[in-house]
Order: sequence, then structure tokens, then C-alpha cells
Amino acid sequence: DTGVSQDPRHKITKRGQNVTFRCDPISEHNRLYWYRQTLGQGPEFLTYFQNEAQLEKSRLLSDRFSAERPKGSFSTLEIQRTEQGDSAMYLCASSAIRGSDQETQYFGPGTRLLVL
Amino acid sequence: AQTVTQSQPEMSVQEAETVTLSCTYDTSESDYYLFWYKQPPSRQMILVIRQEAYKQQNATENRFSVNFQKAAKSFSLKISDSQLGDAAMYFCAPNFGNEKLTFGTGTRLTIIP
Repeated sequence: DTGVSQDPRHKITKRGQNVTFRCDPISEHNRLYWYRQTLGQGPEFLTYFQNEAQLEKSRLLSDRFSAERPKGSFSTLEIQRTEQGDSAMYLCASSAIRGSDQETQYFGPGTRLLVL
Repeated sequence: AQTVTQSQPEMSVQEAETVTLSCTYDTSESDYYLFWYKQPPSRQMILVIRQEAYKQQNATENRFSVNFQKAAKSFSLKISDSQLGDAAMYFCAPNFGNEKLTFGTGTRLTIIP
């Protein structure tokens, strides 16, 4: 098991451009989460999936944000028409829903986004 | 509203000494999970320890242990025999039964050699 992976690790873009991030969860984990972390703050929940179903979206997730998990494996988070306020670290986590480790979320290394 | 408070923005401890990081929270739920995560500078979030709210016994993981007081809604982390590698931002992050983690604002721990 290689843990949660995220790609890219860093992204610099110009305001108004679209960006897409990918997350590969731990292989046997059913749930996948996206969080956003700004400098000096704790992460804030954005959305989560159970298998391919998106079960909850935060009010933080504006219409410019969309997330998918088409086959219940990897997930993508797209930000359209980026704004400078979108600059943050985007964290992905995954968890199992059964077993001794249920509900424990394991995090990837994050994608750091800078919007110029 | 479910809230998490970490009242110590920064803490420091001498190497090999013991330090306790505090966390209080507010929830009306009775069944939930509590976690402490560690985030070293420019590195990823790492799970330190987990506690199920229905368990009275406090969780321990090697040098890390918790003091869970359910009635007081308190969940502190004790680090014994502090090591240089323990330097990081520590986040208290309960899961109040709604699947997502609610993070506190963090405590930055410095280890003094």
C-alpha cells in the first residue's frame, strides 16, 4: 500500500485559467475527501465521496468548483476561472467504512495552488 | 454548531520532556471519533492517534497518549520524551458522526534541544 497520492504537487496558474487536480486513494478505501487549507489555518472540508457517489458538498464549494469520482477509484477536483482567493493547499484523504480502522482518514501530500 | 478550540497557538518543550496540547469541542452528538494529526513544515498531514467516544479507556500510541474527558468535551494530547522530530503543527480533528473532520486552528510545537 503506497498511501494516498496527489498530482500535481504544485500548480501555478494565472487568474481566470482552469485547473484540475487528481487524487488516488488507498486502494481498499471507499470514502474520499477533499479539504482546503490556507496558510496558518486548519483544513476545511470541501466535499466527500462514498464510492462514486458525491454525498456532501460544503458551502465553501462555489459553482466554479466541481469534483468527480467516476469509477469509485481516483477523484478529480476542477476549479474553473481561478481567482487569487483560490490559492491554497488542496488536500485529499481516504478512509474505510468498515474494520478496525474505520472512519480514520489518511491524507495525501496535497496540491499547492498559487493563482497569480 | 460543532466547534473545535485549540487554545494554545504555540508551545515549546525541552527535548526529552513531556508536553500536553489541549483541545476542547462542542457537539450534541454522543457517538463520534476524535483524532490528533501532525503536520511538519511543508510536509503532509500524519495521523498521530485516534479515540472512539464510546470507549472510556484513553488511547495510547508509543510516546503519545490522550486524556479524553467526554463530559467536559476535552481531548488533550500528551507527548512524552519529546524528540526533535516531534516539531510540527498539531491539529485536533473530531469526526462528529457526519463523516467529515472538523479541524481546530492548530498548535505549533517547538522542541528545544
